[in-house]
Amino acid sequence: DAKTTQPPSMDCAEGRAANLPCNHSTISGNEYVYWYRQIHSQGPQYIIHGLKNNETNEMASLIITEDRKSSTLILPHATLRDTAVYYCIVRVAKAAGNKLTFGGGTRVLVKP
Amino acid sequence: GAVVSQHPSRVICKSGTSVKIECRSLDFQATTMFWYRQFPKKSLMLMATSNEGSKATYEQGVEKDKFLINHASLTLSTLTVTSAHPEDSSFYICSALLDPGETQYFGPGTRLLVL
Repeated sequence: DAKTTQPPSMDCAEGRAANLPCNHSTISGNEYVYWYRQIHSQGPQYIIHGLKNNETNEMASLIITEDRKSSTLILPHATLRDTAVYYCIVRVAKAAGNKLTFGGGTRVLVKP
Repeated sequence: GAVVSQHPSRVICKSGTSVKIECRSLDFQATTMFWYRQFPKKSLMLMATSNEGSKATYEQGVEKDKFLINHASLTLSTLTVTSAHPEDSSFYICSALLDPGETQYFGPGTRLLVL
């Protein structure tokens, strides 16, 4: 699976949109971009995933560049409860093993 | 939907004893489940892949005789830490793959402390 690069940390203002970048310049054509987050002392929570097109759900939006070498997770209105470590992972869906490889992620602190 | 539970949420045991952790998919069936371990301030590390009705596949460096995995049904996988030692103290997290195999959903984790 392709490796990803994320900033180690970022601060966001409560009520504002939080834009979390992820670089995956070696992504293959059949690899999806997945986002998870882990709130302190809890298991990771699935947020969203996509292949080529931008995706939106009740939690967030995922914007993937046309060349697919980077993506941005957008939390439209950050709340204090969005403070967590956010992981960007690329993997081939339905591939043998279906493994997820977690990197360091981005530690997001939402401030009042 | 896609809820995964773990039991117990935390456990303290004496060195040399065995501890069993259960992972259940509550509202879906999961042919495949995964077990991860996370040390403080570190990222999750995959330990093994659990497949219903067959033997688990362990990652390199994980002792299969120490971390016994059983996936006896489509909704339950168990991890048994045998002869636990203080260095096995960690946060153990399972996940279940929502068929037809696109997304993993994680349990809340089990914190193990071996004295």
